[in-house]
Amino acid sequence: GIQVEQSPPDLILQEGANSTLRCNFSDSVNNLQWFHQNPWGQLINLFYIPSGTKQNGRLSATTVATERYSLLYISSSQTTDSGVYFCAVRQGAQKLVFGQGTRLTINP
Amino acid sequence: EAQVTQNPRYLITVTGKKLTVTCSQNMNHEYMSWYRQDPGLGLRQIYYSMNVEATDKGDVPEGYKVSRKEKRNFPLILESPSPNQTSLYFCASSLNGITEAFFGQGTRLTVV
Repeated sequence: GIQVEQSPPDLILQEGANSTLRCNFSDSVNNLQWFHQNPWGQLINLFYIPSGTKQNGRLSATTVATERYSLLYISSSQTTDSGVYFCAVRQGAQKLVFGQGTRLTINP
Repeated sequence: EAQVTQNPRYLITVTGKKLTVTCSQNMNHEYMSWYRQDPGLGLRQIYYSMNVEATDKGDVPEGYKVSRKEKRNFPLILESPSPNQTSLYFCASSLNGITEAFFGQGTRLTVV
């Protein structure tokens, strides 16, 4: 099956810093999503981005489908950005396959 | 507000006592699924449903049952829970099996 790898596994930053999270996948996909799992365990949709670039406030994402990777950018980090960020992909009408996540800690 | 609603959010139960975790979506989505999340194992699909009366096994279906009698509801049934089913459970829905998926708030289940 398709493999999804996220890097880095852990990231510790000071408030105000910028960060880039990467997601590599092993095969072509027709669905790629980024999620934020907050400290209460909830999975929050960030982006649905099978290809191209999207922006939402301080967050933006780019997926280069032909090269099988996606990047999530977080600018001017805030402590509320802490948590685990997941990339998930889907081939056809199948299950979402999740990466192992990047644990982001923003210190005040 | 478009959402996926799971209940309960937290549950502690004893081995062998049947339980149901409910999931409801108000977006008229056809595709619904259940995942469990465990440390070191990530999120794994338990069951999914492409439409009413159409359900199929995911990666870890043992010990679980589901039903899809109405489009909006997709309950997860544990007929005889065991401690290895202690986990964080998520219900998800999407318009079809390809488009953006939306997740419920999660159900943290502990079986003692």
